[in-house]
Amino acid sequence: AQKVTQAQTEISVVEKEDVTLDCVYETRDTTYYLFWYKQPPSGELVFLIRRNSFDEQNEISGRYSWNFQKSTSSFNFTITASQVVDSAVYFCALGSNNAGNMLTFGGGTRLMVKP
Amino acid sequence: DSGVTQTPKHLITATGQRVTLRCSPRSGDLSVYWYQQSLDQGLQFLIQYYNGEERAKGNILERFSAQQFPDLHSELNLSSLELGDSALYFCASSVTAGRNTEAFFGQGTRLTVV
Repeated sequence: AQKVTQAQTEISVVEKEDVTLDCVYETRDTTYYLFWYKQPPSGELVFLIRRNSFDEQNEISGRYSWNFQKSTSSFNFTITASQVVDSAVYFCALGSNNAGNMLTFGGGTRLMVKP
Repeated sequence: DSGVTQTPKHLITATGQRVTLRCSPRSGDLSVYWYQQSLDQGLQFLIQYYNGEERAKGNILERFSAQQFPDLHSELNLSSLELGDSALYFCASSVTAGRNTEAFFGQGTRLTVV
C-alpha cells in the first residue's frame, strides 16, 4: 500500500522567511511519481510539480524548490522569501504505474505567512 | 484556470436525497478522476474513468456511482445521502490513464448534507 506523510500540519512564518514543507512517502513500486499541489483559501487544487522516481535532480522554479531524496523517501518543498500570497494548504501526493494514475495524498500542511 | 469545469460549485441537500455532480475535463484529456476531500478523511481517490470505461476504483461507497459519457464529461451520482457525505468533491483530468501525466483539478463542488 502507498502512503504519504506530511508531519507538519501547520506552519506559521513571517513574510520573507524561508520555509520547508516535509513529505515522506512509502511505496513498493520501483517506478512512481511525486507531486505537490497548492490549495489556496479559494479551495481549488493547483498543480505545482511532478517528479519521476528515476530523476533525483532537484528542481527550482522561482522562489520554489524541491529536494527529492530516494534514500530517505522524501520529497521536500522549500519556499524562499515567503510572501503572504503563499498562504495555503500544500499537499504532497504519490502516483503509481499501477491502477491508472490515481494519487495518494498526504494530509496537507497549512502554511500561514504573516506580514 | 485549470481547464477542468465542475458544476455546481455549491450544493445543499437533505439526508436521504440523491445528487449528481458534473465534470467537464480539459480539452483533449481522456481520463477523469473523482476525489473526495473531507475533514476527517482528507483527500481520497474515489474512481477513475478513461475514455468511457472505468479504470480504477478507490474507497468509493456503494451508494456512489460515476460514469463518463462519449463526449468525455463525467458525472458522479451520490444517493441516500448522509451527513457524513458532506465534503468537497473534486474532479481531475489528465491526457492518459497511466504514468507520467499530471492531473489537473477543477474547483470542486462543495456538498453540504443537512
